[in-house]
Amino acid sequence: DQQVKQNSPSLSVQEGRISILNCDYTNSMFDYFLWYKKYPAEGPTFLISISSIKDKNEDGRFTVFLNKSAKHLSLHIVPSQPGDSAVYFCAAIISNFGNEKLTFGTGTRLTIIP
Amino acid sequence: NAGVTQTPKFQVLKTGQSMTLQCAQDMNHEYMSWYRQDPGMGLRLIHYSVGAGITDQGEVPNGYNVSRSTTEDFPLRLLSAAPSQTSVYFCASRSAGTVLGYTFGSGTRLTVV
Repeated sequence: DQQVKQNSPSLSVQEGRISILNCDYTNSMFDYFLWYKKYPAEGPTFLISISSIKDKNEDGRFTVFLNKSAKHLSLHIVPSQPGDSAVYFCAAIISNFGNEKLTFGTGTRLTIIP
Repeated sequence: NAGVTQTPKFQVLKTGQSMTLQCAQDMNHEYMSWYRQDPGMGLRLIHYSVGAGITDQGEVPNGYNVSRSTTEDFPLRLLSAAPSQTSVYFCASRSAGTVLGYTFGSGTRLTVV
């Protein structure tokens, strides 16, 4: 069962506009959500996270919104830049001691059009 | 400070062969994990370790073996390679002090023919 879902495999956005990447989850026990960015031939790099007790977290051009009632989170990138073109993975975790199961979505390939 | 180092970057194996994927980190992280990435599947956890001498299974452990004799190293062994193990493998580590901040290696692309 896919507990973390990214239903859009790809997204194209013009440079300077807002990019919105979406993620849905089914397990209400998740208490942290993370976004990773991945370039080809590289490992994923951590971008931003949010605790389940919050509904928004902001870091520069990146903002993550969490809607617990809808089990939905989104990553907003404003303004979008060509270097943002990458695959973005949503991930979730239950943060009890010794639990290492970071559950990933299938990824969304973001292309920024100059 | 090299972070998480994976070797080799590419490998082709014949069905039935065995090999070890190496992972080393120099950040003194307690937690280390192995993931595989397959098209349309995201990243799936194979095995993980919360410290030297302690390992446990993840979501897809069959066909793989791990050991953690030191804090720095966490090798992944393929016992008898199968075409279904063709994938990109990522090693990750983090400090026990935070649930966040996973650092990933650059991956090993494995093809089993």
